[in-house]
Amino acid sequence: EAGVTQFPSHSVIEKGQTVTLRCDPISGHDNLYWYRRVMGKEIKFLLHFVKESKQDESGMPNNRFLAERTGGTYSTLKVQPAELEDSGVYFCASSSRTASPLHFGNGTRLTVT
Amino acid sequence: RKEVEQDPGPFNVPEGATVAFNCTYSNSASQSFFWYRQDCRKEPKLLMSVYSSGNEDGRFTAQLNRASQYISLLIRDSKLSDSATYLCVVNSGNTGFQKLVFGTGTRLLVSP
Repeated sequence: EAGVTQFPSHSVIEKGQTVTLRCDPISGHDNLYWYRRVMGKEIKFLLHFVKESKQDESGMPNNRFLAERTGGTYSTLKVQPAELEDSGVYFCASSSRTASPLHFGNGTRLTVT
Repeated sequence: RKEVEQDPGPFNVPEGATVAFNCTYSNSASQSFFWYRQDCRKEPKLLMSVYSSGNEDGRFTAQLNRASQYISLLIRDSKLSDSATYLCVVNSGNTGFQKLVFGTGTRLLVSP
């Protein structure tokens, strides 16, 4: 079984540019989560999809961040326009049921210069 | 105050040693608790869930004290491969869905 895959693994962009991160959850997992870790801080929740619906987006920092999961399969997280403080590692995770353990992807390391 | 507090370490121990990590959480309504392991530049991986009665998985023992809002992880007979960052994680979701809150992690270095 393929794990959670994220693309790209690294992205370096300039302040003001747009970046789109992609996450492919484990096949059949209805629950998809986005988390991020900024330098020196703990991993923090961003949002949770159940299929294509946003269950909880309380962790999204501001309206420069837009997450989508059209069709309930893969998800994208777009940052537009990127700011320096958006630098960090963005993790995606999925689970089959709401109470099942989360499986994390390898993360996308985003650097905004 | 952070919702989940951990000593960042690092803990430097020799092979074979026993080491204990502690963690406290502030949300008394938290429903479930976990220890995750994260290797350098890798994703977090679930090590074990933590139950009120305490639970053991090989060399690893986890304990939860709900009254004190305190979680612990004990590693016996440390191996070089145990070197990693150990993350204390609390599920603070209150609608039946998971919303994990992570501690900053405790770094463990096991030396020969």
